[in-house]
Formats: sequence, C-alpha cells, structure tokens
Amino acid sequence: QSVLTQPPSVSGAPGQRVTISCTGSSSNLGAGYVVHWYQQLPGTAPRLLIYTNSNRPSGIPDRFSGSKSGTSASLAITGLQVEDEADYYCQSFDSSLSGSEVFGGGTKLTVL
Amino acid sequence: QVQLQESGPGLVKPSQTLSLTCTVSGDSITSGYYYWSWIRQPAGKGLEWIGRIYTSGSTNYNPSLKSRVTISVDTSKDQFSLRLTSVTAADTAVYYCARSDRDYYFDPWGQGTLVTVSS
Repeated sequence: QSVLTQPPSVSGAPGQRVTISCTGSSSNLGAGYVVHWYQQLPGTAPRLLIYTNSNRPSGIPDRFSGSKSGTSASLAITGLQVEDEADYYCQSFDSSLSGSEVFGGGTKLTVL
Repeated sequence: QVQLQESGPGLVKPSQTLSLTCTVSGDSITSGYYYWSWIRQPAGKGLEWIGRIYTSGSTNYNPSLKSRVTISVDTSKDQFSLRLTSVTAADTAVYYCARSDRDYYFDPWGQGTLVTVSS
C-alpha cells in the first residue's frame, strides 16, 4: 500500500488527453510538500517528467503538464502518442514516521 | 552532463550484506548542492526510496529500512555506496542511484543494476 495513491492503469487513443491522479494526505501533499512526476519506459530507468508540481525539465514536451491542489496532484498528457505508453510515478515527501521520500504505486498508461 | 553508474554483485546470499557503488561522472560529486540517493524497484512493482547522503556525510534513510541501511560517500573517487545487511528474497530488486537537489526530485538516474538474493 503506497502512501501516495495512483490508479493502476489509464488508457487513451492517440491524440486524446489523459490525466493521472496522485492522492496523498495531510502528512505529504496536504502539508504543502511538492510533487514530482517520472516516466518509466519498459526496461529503462525512470526519467524526470515534471518537477516541483508543474515545471518541465528541458527536453520534455509541453504536452506534459502537472498541477497540485490540497492533498492531490495530477499529471496531464495531451495529444497522446504511442511512445507515451509507459509507467508513470508521482513522488513527494511524507513527514510521518521520521520523514521519507515516497512514491505513488505507479500508473500504467496504455495507448490504444 | 552528469552521469551515474551502479556497480556491484548481482547475486547475494540470504542473511548476507548487499553492497553497491554508484560512480558519478561528468562533474564532481561535490559540485553544487546535491543529495545522492538509492532507490529500488522489485520486478513488476513500484519504486521505493532507500535513503540519501549529502557530500558532508549527513544521511537520511527510509524508516522501514533504516535499521539495515548504511549509505556512505567517497568524494575522492566521486562515488557513493549502499550497504544493506541481513538481506532476504524481499530485497531482490533493481537498484538505482540518483541525484537530487534542494527540491528533492531525482534527476538524473543511473541505469540500474539487478540484485538477486538467493542461495
């Protein structure tokens, strides 16, 4: 059971828009800690996609966007492409039990 | 640009100690204000943060692993290391090293190394 809750899977057709939610609690997102998002293509290491709630690193297309409000955060992908098929993880800090970086359980995006 | 590379045994026996090293290249490990972390991922499962070290030697660990984990740094070699004691099959995973700054996001990551715990 992950501290941050993500849907196990989402899907969409090429060109569509999908969103992936990340739900936390008062000891992490609700306490004001920022959220980051990663994309993990099959057989590869995770790659930073969004940092500090809504910022894109250089090289990340503007099709990817992030937002955070209260105890929840969302990753949105517009103009879905086949190569977007991957696992997506959110990450934040949790202040309970001496504090720890925590990840969501991950969401598998399938492009139909 | 900075790159990270994990190295170490791919097979560890139960009850023994897992030891891995992450070598930083492309820049000095002491350049800038960065933390250096270990993260693992069992096959088919999600990511778990193990802990981090700053180049001063200060560390933070995941409370669920704290009693078994030690992370150290060797600034002369631009390396940092992970030791995980008393391993069991549940410690079988791909282990990644990664860099983070004051906002604690992980970037970049190493390619990962698979460690299997088996007799």
